[in-house]
Formats: sequence, C-alpha cells, structure tokens
Amino acid sequence: NAGVTQTPKFQVLKTGQSMTLQCAQDMNHNSMYWYRQDPGMGLRLIYYSASEGTTDKGEVPNGYNVSRLNKREFSLRLESAAPSQTSVYFCASSEGMGLNTEAFFGQGTRLTVV
Amino acid sequence: LAKTTQPISMDSYEGQEVNITCSHNNIATNDYITWYQQFPSQGPRFIIQGYKTKVTNEVASLFIPADRKSSTLSLPRVSLSDTAVYYCLVGGPNSGYSTLTFGKGTMLLVSP
Repeated sequence: NAGVTQTPKFQVLKTGQSMTLQCAQDMNHNSMYWYRQDPGMGLRLIYYSASEGTTDKGEVPNGYNVSRLNKREFSLRLESAAPSQTSVYFCASSEGMGLNTEAFFGQGTRLTVV
Repeated sequence: LAKTTQPISMDSYEGQEVNITCSHNNIATNDYITWYQQFPSQGPRFIIQGYKTKVTNEVASLFIPADRKSSTLSLPRVSLSDTAVYYCLVGGPNSGYSTLTFGKGTMLLVSP
C-alpha cells in the first residue's frame, strides 16, 4: 500500500542541468499535483492535472514542465535548473479535484541546485 | 473565494488540549472545512473535514458553529509528536482554484 511515491528523495544539480522528478500513485486517483515548499513560504502549487490527459499551471510554473504520462504517473521536469529552484518538492493526488477531497502527499524530493 | 485566517504559531505543553481557530467569514454554502497536518520533513496529511456542528475522529475534533464563519480544530492531550504545522482550508465543488492552495498554517510547538 504505497500511496504516492516520489523519486528521487534527494538530488543535487548544477546550474543549467536538467532533471525529471517522478511521481506515481496507486490509488486510482484522477487528480495529481506538484508543490514546492521553501522555508517560510509554505506550499506553492507549481502545476496540477485534474484528470488524465490534462495539465494546468499553478502559482509558480515558470522554469518547470509536467507530463501526465497516464493515470498513475505525473512527472515534473526542470529543463535548466537554477539556484532559485532549490526546494522541497511534493507530489500529491486526490480522487476529486482539490485539497478538500482528501489529498495524499508523497514524502518529498529535496533538490539542491548549486 | 473563502479566505482563511489562523494564528501563525501556538505553544503548548504535553498533556494539554490545544484549540486552533480558523476564521473564514466568506465561506460559501457548498464549502467544506478541511484541516491538514504537516510534520517536519514530510508532506501534509489530511486529518479532518467537516461541514457543520462537530466532527470527531481518532486524531482530532472539529467544531463548527452554526454560522460557519469560523472553525476550531481541537487536539486532545497533545504530545511532543503533535508538533507540526496545521493548515485550515475552505472549499467545495464550486471553489475552483482556491481548493488547490495552502495558506501559511499554524505552527504548533509542544514542549515537555
């Protein structure tokens, strides 16, 4: 009963490198989300996918792209990493749309860009 | 769009009851009140949801007055492990984008 699984858990990148953060859920949820959390800033929504085949921008989408590969998987790509993207990234999923429908979060990916 | 206001931080001691109040004066008829808990270095976790009156589960109780303009999350006999950030969210089927966003939450620090 894994829930929401994020990989990797930790990553160090050099400025300008690219990488993809992977997220998979095994609860057959329709909606999936990517958040970033910086100290003192709370969680900010990067992108979300209301259902398979759709994606939409959140509060802070610049510098990121996403792919809803199938119902289970929602990946986040950094094409050219910048130090400002140093953060903890959380993926989440929910049956319905929104946090008022009991969203489940992964354990996070700690990304450092040097 | 219902906006919520909650204290930035609260302090308590082990064994005490903690009540965190959230104000949401503009709550809509179809909106639910939802609370999440986030431990350090972990993702948020759904803890309780309610529409009116009182809801209780194994973790907490949620008290909602008749006018629904505020709600109170009650944690009975807290322990050190209840140290976390608690987020209050208000939203429903017609709330759209606001149901995807967290506020700053309330940082609860429980001391021995």
